[in-house]
Amino acid sequence: GAGVSQSPSNKVTEKGKDVELRCDPISGHTALYWYRQSLGQGLEFLIYFQGNSAPDKSGLPSDRFSAERTGGSVSTLTIQRTQQEDSAVYLCASSLTTSFSTGELFFGEGSRLTVL
Amino acid sequence: SQQGEEDPQALSIQEGENATMNCSYKTSINNLQWYRQNSGRGLVHLILIRSNEREKHSGRLRVTLDTSKKSSSLLITASRAADTASYFCATVDTGNQFYFGTGTSLTVIP
Repeated sequence: GAGVSQSPSNKVTEKGKDVELRCDPISGHTALYWYRQSLGQGLEFLIYFQGNSAPDKSGLPSDRFSAERTGGSVSTLTIQRTQQEDSAVYLCASSLTTSFSTGELFFGEGSRLTVL
Repeated sequence: SQQGEEDPQALSIQEGENATMNCSYKTSINNLQWYRQNSGRGLVHLILIRSNEREKHSGRLRVTLDTSKKSSSLLITASRAADTASYFCATVDTGNQFYFGTGTSLTVIP
């Protein structure tokens, strides 16, 4: 596709359920980032994948959060045993960033998660 | 926190006026980028300024960077109603980690 694609665009779930959010980055982009944005707030960094390197997981708020990036392309963010405070918009971004230069981030439209 | 801070949090101006937003940060940077976010949408990149640059222009946008003061400003000249959005600065460190500020909400009144 032409841009970063995220699914689902909206997800309503009950407290305690697991959810999976998917991000399909721009083809050829080596870097992939996940951010969380609560209503009216800035972006909170969650996790960063760069090529085949070990991901930077330093932003994951708890062990209920995990993410994978298969084949250096599609990424899935999984939240286990969701809590109401997990309600937010989850944004994915990809970039041509390498170890030698930084590119701009291309964002998807986000997945809005509501935990009842 | 390494997150930057934008100032002001909200700004309301008349169409045709200039809008200035400021960003302060705490750590050393590789570059600084500005992004725009329309309500309910993802962020869109506007402009990148490297740590060895002091000023950059792109259309109606002018960005300055003062690394000694750890601050940047974004100027939008001759604003339009379509410029209404939230604007975020992002500092990028040598590890290619992006740290976003809290954003400035700009309203341009027609």
